[in-house]
Amino acid sequence: SQTIHQWPATLVQPVGSPLSLECTVEGTSNPNLYWYRQAAGRGLQLLFYSVGIGQISSEVPQNLSASRPQDRQFILSSKKLLLSDSGFYLCAWSRDGGVGQPQHFGDGTRLSIL
Amino acid sequence: GQSLEQPSEVTAVEGAIVQINCTYQTSGFYGLSWYQQHDGGAPTFLSYNALDGLEETGRFSSFLSRSDSYGYLLLQELQMKDSASYFCAVSRGFQKLVFGTGTRLLVSP
Repeated sequence: SQTIHQWPATLVQPVGSPLSLECTVEGTSNPNLYWYRQAAGRGLQLLFYSVGIGQISSEVPQNLSASRPQDRQFILSSKKLLLSDSGFYLCAWSRDGGVGQPQHFGDGTRLSIL
Repeated sequence: GQSLEQPSEVTAVEGAIVQINCTYQTSGFYGLSWYQQHDGGAPTFLSYNALDGLEETGRFSSFLSRSDSYGYLLLQELQMKDSASYFCAVSRGFQKLVFGTGTRLLVSP
């Protein structure tokens, strides 16, 4: 069966510090990978998605970046965090099988910027 | 632009039936998905409708009318564990989901 791991679960960072969140998927190959951000009491906003190693599409201009160094590894980074970067960050994967494939989410990282 | 509208909160009692509506305006539409999210947890996939009509999966059903840009999630025989937030999401092109702001369902005994 497929599993998705995301860490850390919670993170408190000062403004201006760097960020690295990691997500890995097991039990499948060539998944589509996604990073979302969810503000408190709101819906999910797609930040990045990837259809393959080194292939990243950005949905929202911001000071975040994403990388996919391996088939089942997806990393969200920032060089200098802003207060507005606080939120619940979720990684997800789906099969490469066309529109409507369910997206499967990790447990998320709750990021607080001080 | 694109927008999805859902009620912010719905309340019901155990054993009842509840319907959560979703209307959308979007350029490019491939289908409507529904996800459930318990407080502090990860969203989980419930259903996907690409064509008009009703899809049934156990106690949950989902409906889509493309001509009306409208869909709903129907939950039957409500249980306490169904208390959660429910999100509709529009598929726009290749695996790109646009989520609504969510409906918080509170089930009381």
